[in-house]
Amino acid sequence: GAGVSQSPRYKVAKRGQDVALRCDPISGHVSLFWYQQALGQGPEFLTYFQNEAQLDKSGLPSDRFFAERPEGSVSTLKIQRTQQEDSAVYLCASSLGGRTHEQYFGPGTRLTVT
Amino acid sequence: AQSVTQPDIHITVSEGASLELRCNYSYGATPYLFWYVQSPGQGLQLLLKYFSGDTLVQGIKGFEAEFKRSQSSFNLRKPSVHWSDAAEYFCAVALNNDMRFGAGTRLTVKP
Repeated sequence: GAGVSQSPRYKVAKRGQDVALRCDPISGHVSLFWYQQALGQGPEFLTYFQNEAQLDKSGLPSDRFFAERPEGSVSTLKIQRTQQEDSAVYLCASSLGGRTHEQYFGPGTRLTVT
Repeated sequence: AQSVTQPDIHITVSEGASLELRCNYSYGATPYLFWYVQSPGQGLQLLLKYFSGDTLVQGIKGFEAEFKRSQSSFNLRKPSVHWSDAAEYFCAVALNNDMRFGAGTRLTVKP
């Protein structure tokens, strides 16, 4: 079956621009997660949805970061007024259960802010 | 504080040799444990997981991992490495609705 998909795969933004990153989870997966992965590092948690409810957004680094999942399926991570330190790979994952269950990852979106 | 540590940043092994990647955690209770693999430009793929029961866990691609409570470790092993195993490997630890990843170990396979 189809896995987690993310678009775009690559995004180059000028500093100050807004970007929107999309995640399509595996059909039927209740939970959806966003992670930020800096070069040479492991994924760092950003936020977590169960259906359409955002249960944890403690990992979002600033109020420029915003995520939504309005219908409990597709999710969008939006970054406003991008900064160079936002350059990273943004990974989306979905799961049948909560945060302690196995997660299935998408290929990520590589964001480069120039 | 809760943490997961992968002590080896980079490991090089010859094709056909055995492999062991280390993972240690610091938690108040036994967490759920996972190993993921990430090939360049790809997302993470689950290799195996430990929730409870038998402490030796078999995974995909010929990998296995052993949970050792006394050492707070969950090391990943493979008896004979293939060139296609070259990738980044991440240990992940989950407890109380929180999951954390180690910084990863990059595996290089020499011909």
